[in-house]
Amino acid sequence: DVKVTQSSRYLVKRTGEKVFLECVQDMDHENMFWYRQDPGLGLRLIYFSYDVKMKEKGDIPEGYSVSREKKERFSLILESASTNQTSMYLCASSLPPGRGASYEQYFGPGTRLTVT
Amino acid sequence: AQKITQTQPGMFVQEKEAVTLDCTYDTSDQSYGLFWYKQPSSGEMIFLIYQGSYDEQNATEGRYSLNFQKARKSANLVISASQLGDSAMYFCAMRGINTGKLIFGQGTTLQVKP
Repeated sequence: DVKVTQSSRYLVKRTGEKVFLECVQDMDHENMFWYRQDPGLGLRLIYFSYDVKMKEKGDIPEGYSVSREKKERFSLILESASTNQTSMYLCASSLPPGRGASYEQYFGPGTRLTVT
Repeated sequence: AQKITQTQPGMFVQEKEAVTLDCTYDTSDQSYGLFWYKQPSSGEMIFLIYQGSYDEQNATEGRYSLNFQKARKSANLVISASQLGDSAMYFCAMRGINTGKLIFGQGTTLQVKP
C-alpha cells in the first residue's frame, strides 16, 4: 500500500520560530510537492522537487524554503513563521509524467499549522 | 497560464440520487490531464478519477464518471447513486503533460442527505 507520511498532524508555533515540516514517501517517487490549503483558495503549490537536491518554486514560495537530501524525504521550512502562514500543509508525491497513464499524486494526511 | 474553476462552493444531494460537480479549465497546452480528488473531513486527499486530453472515452471508475467536453473546456464529475460517505470536499485539478505540477480549483463541498 502506497504511503506518504507527514511528521505532525497538528503543530502550534510562535511568530518568528523556525518551523520544519517533514514528509516521507515509500513509493520511490521522483516527484514531491508541498501545498498549502486555505478555505476558498483550494490547494496552492509552494515548492516541488523532481529529484534529490533539486527544487523549483511553485506559485507561493515566499517565506518558505525546502530541502531534499534523500529521494524519499522532502522537508518544508518556514524560516521565520508568521501568522499568515497558519494553514493546512499537504505533501504529495508522484512518478514523473511522460511514462503514460495518469500518475496521480499521492497525498499525506496533512499538517495543520497554527502560528500565534 | 493554466486555471481551474469550480463555481459551486457547496451542494446538497439526496442519498441514492446522482449529482454533477462542475469544473471548467483554461490552458494553452495541447496535452494535459484532468483529475478529481475527494477530501473527507479527516483531511486526506483521495484520488478518484483521471481523464487525459486525448482520451476519446469519458473516464469511469465505479460510481464516478468524468463528463469531458474538450471544446467547452469542462470536466464535470458525476457521482451516481450518492451515499452518505460521499459527503466531502471535491477538488478538480489539471496537469500539463510535461510537468508534474497540479493546478487545483477552489473545491466544492458536497453534502449527502439521508
